[in-house]
Amino acid sequence: ILNVEQSPQSLHVQEGDSTNFTCSFPSSNFYALHWYRWETAKSPEALFVMTLNGDEKKKGRISATLNTKEGYSYLYIKGSQPEDSATYLCAFVGYGGSQGNLIFGKGTKLSVKP
Amino acid sequence: GAVVSQHPSRVICKSGTSVKIECRSLDFQATTMFWYRQFPKKSLMLMATSNEGSKATYEQGVEKDKFLINHASLTLSTLTVTSAHPEDSSFYICSAKTGADTQYFGPGTRLTVL
Repeated sequence: ILNVEQSPQSLHVQEGDSTNFTCSFPSSNFYALHWYRWETAKSPEALFVMTLNGDEKKKGRISATLNTKEGYSYLYIKGSQPEDSATYLCAFVGYGGSQGNLIFGKGTKLSVKP
Repeated sequence: GAVVSQHPSRVICKSGTSVKIECRSLDFQATTMFWYRQFPKKSLMLMATSNEGSKATYEQGVEKDKFLINHASLTLSTLTVTSAHPEDSSFYICSAKTGADTQYFGPGTRLTVL
């Protein structure tokens, strides 16, 4: 059974703080790593699709890095804002998985206090 | 762009009845649609993958006769939970993709079986 772990489970920060969280995944048969942002009562929003070891992607104040050899990805949020409050999900895709099956972690729930 | 809708957002039904959930890609044609389920404090778990015009592929442990999937067009997939029981109460969410890697998610359906 493939395991995708995210830590911490939840995080409370003050507005303006920078924060980061981790996604750990199997280092063998790696194909891609997806990050999603999921606000309550809304659809998960795709943030990044990462495929290459050493990849670093950025979208506004959010960035992510990827280490496929050791099986982890970090998501960083610079200067957190209340609107960043959401659950951040990562999902692993391995080679041989049919049609790009996403294997999700349980998510990190971020709360940003004004 | 890439909006996926899901209907209904919430449904309560009596044990033994069937419930149909619709998933639509609103502004793109989805070659593949996916159905996930999430139990409390657990990860999103893939139930089945469906391609337009062909039979769905179910993940191990998911009963195909209980969870009927129809992908009749490139913009619509339906999941019918037949003879629902309280243990089927869960959060069901669909996603859709074209040829690219990113899956676009609907907002999900909360099913409660009394």
